[in-house]
Amino acid sequence: HVQLQESGPGLVKPSETLSVTCTVSGVSVTSGGYHWSWIRQPPGKGLEWIGQLFYSGSSNYNPSLKSRLTISSDTSKNQFSLTLNSVTAADTAVYYCRALEAGLGGRGDWGQGTLVTVSS
Amino acid sequence: DIQMTQSPSTLSASVGDRVTITCRASQTISDWLAWYQQKPGKVPKLLIYKASYLEGGVPSRFSATGSGTEFTLTISSLQPDDFAAYYCQHFASDSPWTFGQGTKVEI
Repeated sequence: HVQLQESGPGLVKPSETLSVTCTVSGVSVTSGGYHWSWIRQPPGKGLEWIGQLFYSGSSNYNPSLKSRLTISSDTSKNQFSLTLNSVTAADTAVYYCRALEAGLGGRGDWGQGTLVTVSS
Repeated sequence: DIQMTQSPSTLSASVGDRVTITCRASQTISDWLAWYQQKPGKVPKLLIYKASYLEGGVPSRFSATGSGTEFTLTISSLQPDDFAAYYCQHFASDSPWTFGQGTKVEI
C-alpha cells in the first residue's frame, strides 16, 4: 500500500491562494504504475474530483476549477501538490489526495484528508 | 464531459434487506468505474474497482455489475455497519473523472 499524508494551511482568506501538499511514501511519484489525484468534499456535501497527474506527466483538471488550478509534483521530496487561486467560501472543504493504480479503474489509496476553510 | 447520475439519492432500508444502487454514465465508459462507501467524518473506502472487482477485505455481501453506461452496486443482506453514503466514480480517459452525487443508505 501507498501511504499519503496531506498538509495544508487550515485557514485561507478569500481571494488568496490555497495550497495543499501530499507527501507520498511507499512508492515514487515518478513511478509508472500510479496516477496522483486530488478530491475534495465541502462540509455536508458529496465528493468532487479536482484533478490528477498521470504518470506520463500530463494532467487532467475539473473544468469548473481549471482556470484557477495547478497540480504539480516535487520529485525531490516525493510530493505532489495542488494550488487553487482566488478562493472563495465555496472552496471550503476537506481535501484528499489519492494514489491510483494505473489501469485498475479506481483501485488505490487515500490520504486522511485535510480541512481547509476559506474565511476572513 | 461524462456525467454520472446515481439513484436513488436516499434509500431507507432495514437490516437484512437486499439493496441496489444504480449509477448511469452519460456516455459509455466500458468498465472504468469504482464504488466507494463513506461514513460521516471518515475517508471514503473503496469497495469495487473496474466495475465488478471486489477490493480485498470488503465483505462478499457487496457485489457490482455493469459496463457501458449502466452500473449497479448490490448489498445482498444489509448489515448495521453498511448504513453510510455510497458514491460511484468513472475513470474513462479524456474526460474529467467525475463522481456520482451519492446515495445515502439510512435506517
